[in-house]
Amino acid sequence: EAGVTQFPSHSVIEKGQTVTLRCDPISGHDNLYWYRRVMGKEIKFLLHFVKESKQDESGMPNNRFLAERTGGTYSTLKVQPAELEDSGVYFCASSHVSTPNYGYTFGSGTRLTVV
Amino acid sequence: AQKITQTQPGMFVQEKEAVTLDCTYDTSDPSYGLFWYKQPSSGEMIFLIYQGSYDQQNATEGRYSLNFQKARKSANLVISASQLGDSAMYFCAMREGQGGGFKTIFGAGTRLFVKA
Repeated sequence: EAGVTQFPSHSVIEKGQTVTLRCDPISGHDNLYWYRRVMGKEIKFLLHFVKESKQDESGMPNNRFLAERTGGTYSTLKVQPAELEDSGVYFCASSHVSTPNYGYTFGSGTRLTVV
Repeated sequence: AQKITQTQPGMFVQEKEAVTLDCTYDTSDPSYGLFWYKQPSSGEMIFLIYQGSYDQQNATEGRYSLNFQKARKSANLVISASQLGDSAMYFCAMREGQGGGFKTIFGAGTRLFVKA
């Protein structure tokens, strides 16, 4: 089975520009999560989708961040306009509701650098 | 509020020796799960081991074991017979609730260096 795929793996953009990150979860996984790790700090929760619905978006830092999961399959995370403090590694993870005893399956992350 | 604390920013261990990575947690929910993830230099996050709050025995997965002390709210990871490939960041994490659809919070991580 294919794992969680994230695209792009790296992105370097200028402050004020827009970037869209994409995550393809494991097929059949209803739960999809976005996390972010800023350099040297802990991994922070951003939001959680159950199918196409936002279950919890308490971690979204501000309204410059917009996440969508149309049709309950892949998800996108758009940052517009990007600021310097948005730099970090953005992880996507997915899980199936019937396997609570297992950790998430993470993607390899997107390293975002805002200059 | 949920909280995960990893007090060791970095640890060194000699190859073939055992090492313990510390993790304490705080939660008011009686039902929760504890996890450890490994992040090698390549960047991906790899799930290592899980311990449920109601589990009576400590979880083990190969060379990994989780020393679960519920009263002390600690969930230390023990890696036996360290290998050079164990050099990586290790994150302790907690998920409240027993379902797969709850968010997980992470600690700041411990960087492990295995010396030859």
